[in-house]
Amino acid sequence: QSVLTQPPSVSAAPGQKVTISCSGSSSNIGNNYVSWYQQLPGTAPKLLIYDNNKRPSGIPDRFSGSKSGTSATLGITGLQTGDEADYYCGTWDSSLSAAVFGGGTQLTVL
Amino acid sequence: QVQLVESGGGVVQPGGSLRLSCAASGFTFSSYGMHWVRQAPGKGLEWVAFIRYDGSNKYYADSVKGRFTISRDNSKNTLYLQMNSLRAEDTAVYYCAKDLASKAAAGNNWFDPWGQGTLVTVSS
Repeated sequence: QSVLTQPPSVSAAPGQKVTISCSGSSSNIGNNYVSWYQQLPGTAPKLLIYDNNKRPSGIPDRFSGSKSGTSATLGITGLQTGDEADYYCGTWDSSLSAAVFGGGTQLTVL
Repeated sequence: QVQLVESGGGVVQPGGSLRLSCAASGFTFSSYGMHWVRQAPGKGLEWVAFIRYDGSNKYYADSVKGRFTISRDNSKNTLYLQMNSLRAEDTAVYYCAKDLASKAAAGNNWFDPWGQGTLVTVSS
């Protein structure tokens, strides 16, 4: 059971937009910054978003992040088949003194 | 470019020990906090441990506290994970990951980049 809750799967057509939610509590998302990671099949995860909404260099602006209260959202526009991957949210939990991840969301681009 | 290469994985019996290493290059290792994150087969990511850039503070997931020890040798640009009293549920690919920001405190940690991972299998 993950501390952060994500939908197990989402899907959308190429070119469309999709959002992935991440729900937590005041001890984690509510008082700490959120990051998002993309894991393509058979590869290591890659940082997509940090500090709730910042993109590392090289990450296209099709990827965006936002946070409100104890929830965060990853948005992906202009979907491509190459975006098919598992997506994870992460943050720090101040009560646990530990980093925590969501259970992951599998994105299918139909 | 930044490179992280894990090694030391393998098959170990329940109750056994294993030490993982992560060789870092392409950045000033002594300025960055480092993490271990694991992924059981077919499952999601689970953070394991964090060590500050100077080794002054260490944090662990409850699931490994008292059994695993994270350490680093800044003179060798290497991160370690000593795993004792291993259980079947510790079976996973173990990734090392670098903090995005230099000298970041716990709570401001973004994992970038990640190594390719090393598989640990705990089985009799």
